[in-house]
Amino acid sequence: SQKIEQNSEALNIQEGKTATLTCNYTNYSPAYLQWYRQDPGRGPVFLLLIRENEKEKRKERLKVTFDTTLKQSLFHITASQPADSATYLCALQRDSNYQLIWGAGTKLIIKP
Amino acid sequence: DAGITQSPRYKITETGRQVTLMCHQTWSHSYMFWYRQDLGHGLRLIYYSAAADITDKGEVPDGYVVSRSKTENFPLTLESATRSQTSVYFCASNGMGDQQFFGPGTRLTVL
Repeated sequence: SQKIEQNSEALNIQEGKTATLTCNYTNYSPAYLQWYRQDPGRGPVFLLLIRENEKEKRKERLKVTFDTTLKQSLFHITASQPADSATYLCALQRDSNYQLIWGAGTKLIIKP
Repeated sequence: DAGITQSPRYKITETGRQVTLMCHQTWSHSYMFWYRQDLGHGLRLIYYSAAADITDKGEVPDGYVVSRSKTENFPLTLESATRSQTSVYFCASNGMGDQQFFGPGTRLTVL
């Protein structure tokens, strides 16, 4: 069956450093991979989408890479700030039928 | 208000009761989704809808019923609530793009 793994343990990063979150998947060939941010008590909010033919995507301090050979995506936040503290979810999409398969998320804590 | 709203935000019910969770979006998005989120699990798709009067099962549909008579509304009904349905439920929608827009969630407790 399809499996998506994100670090289950919280990631503690010092303010100003780069935070790197990992999303690994098996038994799946996604056409798209998406990253969302979720704050406590709220719904997820879309951050970035990367397609299988794209190796890297950037948006302000965020960068996502997608390695279909390793079956892995890395999500980077540069110059991290305490306001970046949240849970980050990755989601895979096989095609454009809009169904997403979700990872359980990684909690990121940025310490001042 | 523009966006996607869910009601109620919190609900406590008893085993065996019928519960309906409401979802309303103002964008006229074609696709709408219901997820449940439990600790240690990713979001799991319950049902989705590609348009009014078109619905389909997701990963965990048992015990749930949906309808979509209007594009903007997508209610989720638990016909006979069980304790295992205690969860946080999220409604989402998307239009032409691939990103999904989520509501604030409904925290449901079944006693």
